[in-house]
Amino acid sequence: EIVLTQSPATLSLSPGERATLSCRASQSVSTYLGWFQQKPGQAPRLLIHDASNRAAGIPARFSGSGSGTDFTLTISSLEPEDFAVYYCQQRSSWPRTFGQGTKVEIK
Amino acid sequence: EVQLLESGGGLVQPGGSLRLSCAASGFTISTYAMTWVRQAPGKGLDWVSVIYGSGVPAYYADSVKGRFTISRDNSKNTLYLEMNSLRAEDTAVYYCARYNSGWDEDYWGQGTLVTVSS
Repeated sequence: EIVLTQSPATLSLSPGERATLSCRASQSVSTYLGWFQQKPGQAPRLLIHDASNRAAGIPARFSGSGSGTDFTLTISSLEPEDFAVYYCQQRSSWPRTFGQGTKVEIK
Repeated sequence: EVQLLESGGGLVQPGGSLRLSCAASGFTISTYAMTWVRQAPGKGLDWVSVIYGSGVPAYYADSVKGRFTISRDNSKNTLYLEMNSLRAEDTAVYYCARYNSGWDEDYWGQGTLVTVSS
């Protein structure tokens, strides 16, 4: 199965700052990579699909990039509601796999 | 409005069985692939299984293969996960989700907690 490694594990930032999250795949997943946001007690929410496409209703401050094995999720200016855990997921092959998550916390 | 509502979770002893349900509304599940994803307490997301819109094929994570069975009842617009030979490591919140045409999980339920403990 494809292993996804996210870094860093925790990102401590202030509102208004830029967040850069990384996801690396153990083998190429082309652009079949998505990003999810999860807040405590809630189900995950799809942010980005196919590496760089925002899902419906997702603000423009969220952007994704990358292909092959290296991917990035960028939040251009953190809003208070963006402090959460972020997961990448590959849909290149079964079984689907998730990264271990990056927690974006308030500094 | 699309909604997914899981039920059937609870406390079960190791080796026991449980069947989870996911009742869908606002769309017809027969036209979508559906999936189960779980999350152990304080841990990350763990993909469990998928069933295609037609009912076949179905795929499973290695950790549950041979013990869990995904199925659907289109007449009830409901997805199921039959879980047998449960282990402590199966303890988690189980979410059902819908795959859109791009094979992304666009709608999720609120989850149901399964606790495997003696």
